[in-house]
Amino acid sequence: ETGVTQSPTHLIKTRGQQVTLRCSSQSGHNTVSWYQQALGQGPQFIFQYYREEENGRGNFPPRFSGLQFPNYSSELNVNALELDDSALYLCASSRRDTRTFFNRNQETQYFGPGTRLLVL
Amino acid sequence: SQELEQSPQSLIVQEGKNLTINCTSSKTLYGLYWYKQKYGEGLIFLMMLQKGGEEKSHEKITAKLDEKKQQSSLHITASQPSHAGIYLCGAEPQPFSGGYNKLIFGAGTRLAVHP
Repeated sequence: ETGVTQSPTHLIKTRGQQVTLRCSSQSGHNTVSWYQQALGQGPQFIFQYYREEENGRGNFPPRFSGLQFPNYSSELNVNALELDDSALYLCASSRRDTRTFFNRNQETQYFGPGTRLLVL
Repeated sequence: SQELEQSPQSLIVQEGKNLTINCTSSKTLYGLYWYKQKYGEGLIFLMMLQKGGEEKSHEKITAKLDEKKQQSSLHITASQPSHAGIYLCGAEPQPFSGGYNKLIFGAGTRLAVHP
């Protein structure tokens, strides 16, 4: 196990509703990234949080938003759910070393078990 | 934008056989990660390669990075049913991505190992 936990494990919503997914990072990690994995595809980067601020975003609309808390846990919120939002949502935690902030960083990302979201 | 292509898409082998999975990038690789995923579950980190020519091994799994070919290979020796799952390669799309690291992934290689 990686020490990264996610809740809930499964969720069923209807189109137009809003959902909040939660992630607790591994001990000692200060960065959380969220990914969406559609069936049969590789994960796609949604955004990353560092020091409670969004620190990089993929090609996802603004209705995908997030938070990071002082204890480095994180939430992913999705408003106005669409059928295509049905997917496995993965969070990954990593450790950012501020000494190498502006340099190439290679912090390994450790993934949680995911939340399976079904939108009907 | 950078893309990762994995081959084969799926693989069925007999227990005890060796196998190789490839990951080819459309652009220069600056870091290559291999993960394993059981169906519908999270990703398990296997290993990370940084330098051209680098080779790492963990138990019966060996990964190599060929920067010139912009390619990495994952080799499993004497496969076991426990090796079954989806193998995903991930890479950083650029060396300096505004201070944050995101990964792009291939579509995965689905491996089944029959006893």
